[in-house]
Amino acid sequence: QKEVEQDPGPLSVPEGAIVSLNCTYSNSAFQYFMWYRQYSRKGPELLMYTYSSGNKEDGRFTAQVDKSSKYISLFIRDSQPSDSATYLCAMSANDYKLSFGAGTTVTVRA
Amino acid sequence: GAVVSQHPSRVICKSGTSVKIECRSLDFQATTMFWYRQFPKQSLMLMATSNEGSKATYEQGVEKDKFLINHASLTLSTLTVTSAHPEDSSFYICSARDPKGGVYNEQFFGPGTRLTVL
Repeated sequence: QKEVEQDPGPLSVPEGAIVSLNCTYSNSAFQYFMWYRQYSRKGPELLMYTYSSGNKEDGRFTAQVDKSSKYISLFIRDSQPSDSATYLCAMSANDYKLSFGAGTTVTVRA
Repeated sequence: GAVVSQHPSRVICKSGTSVKIECRSLDFQATTMFWYRQFPKQSLMLMATSNEGSKATYEQGVEKDKFLINHASLTLSTLTVTSAHPEDSSFYICSARDPKGGVYNEQFFGPGTRLTVL
């Protein structure tokens, strides 16, 4: 079993739709949860960071963490074609080493 | 935000040769850098953690003698793939941790290096 599971998709939505992404994990030591966006042949860039359980909102992005279910989500409201990318969830305990999900490829159709 | 560069962005080499990839933090000092490998449509896999002035810590299954890491300064880490073979072809990405980044020290990723071994 992988430490972090993420459906690779691909996911295709029309412009303006809500994009819903999620990951599950097995390591209960994870406390820091992140979502990265990666464009083709580029390095990942941090989108959202959450510590422990709860919700966090930043503009059109909302990150949710449910530690009891070992489940995290990212929602993108009013999606735009420029949101088309691969989204990776990542998690860490206290040692700063990141464990990544496989990434979900998202296409927002104009 | 902090910027991390990698050089080269793309390299093609013959089997048996060695390739060096540089990772630089441009506007901050990084005591710790990380090296990842990413195969097509797969996740980033941590290869090793590089600490300035000390030996790198390799993840299980990563050959230390094949992937040589040197972190000689607070702004530069290098990964040398020795005696490269076609199966080493991959996308190599480094990241750097800013020790002044706050409660959680965010990792900033470089743009990656595409290695193709013929």
